[in-house]
Amino acid sequence: AQSVSQHNHHVILSEAASLELGCNYSYGGTVNLFWYVQYPGQHLQLLLKYFSGDPLVKGIKGFEAEFIKSKFSFNLRKPSVQWSDTAEYFCAVNAPGGSYIPTFGRGTSLIVHP
Amino acid sequence: DGGITQSPKYLFRKEGQNVTLSCEQNLNHDAMYWYRQDPGQGLRLIYYSQIVNDFQKGDIAEGYSVSREKKESFPLTVTSAQKNPTAFYLCASSPGTGFGDAEAFFGQGTRLTVV
Repeated sequence: AQSVSQHNHHVILSEAASLELGCNYSYGGTVNLFWYVQYPGQHLQLLLKYFSGDPLVKGIKGFEAEFIKSKFSFNLRKPSVQWSDTAEYFCAVNAPGGSYIPTFGRGTSLIVHP
Repeated sequence: DGGITQSPKYLFRKEGQNVTLSCEQNLNHDAMYWYRQDPGQGLRLIYYSQIVNDFQKGDIAEGYSVSREKKESFPLTVTSAQKNPTAFYLCASSPGTGFGDAEAFFGQGTRLTVV
């Protein structure tokens, strides 16, 4: 069965600091990878996704993620965070072995101090 | 606007009672899901349905039941057998099997509190 691990459960940063959130998945075949974000009081929404091609993908609000197949990783990055990035971030994988059912990591709670 | 509607937003239930959470989508998606979100545990899959009149158990199905009589609707019943039902419940949909690169769309969630 596929699974997703997020290494950082709680991250606290000051504005303008750089961000990197780790995500590893366990599935040997072709995968589709996603980062979702849940802002306070709002519904979960897509931040970015990878399914093929350039392993460096760009999403909304200046976020990007790099797919490294050899490391089974899909880390999320942002060079300079803002207070409005305070949210919960979830890494997810869809894989054929899982019938394309989205499987989520535990989430990372990010707090950005102004 | 296309999307997923969950109702109610907040729900209180007495111990021993069953309660049904509503989820409706107008995205014409084949697949629908129910997740439970608890602090520090992420989203855990309760049930999913990939086609009308068919559904499958997820990782934590015990104490829950669902139906999928219409493509648009996927209600979740939290039964009295669920030992720890107080949680935030999220409904989602996606185009379905064969669209692995498509993201899931989520409702606003229902916060259930057992009193």
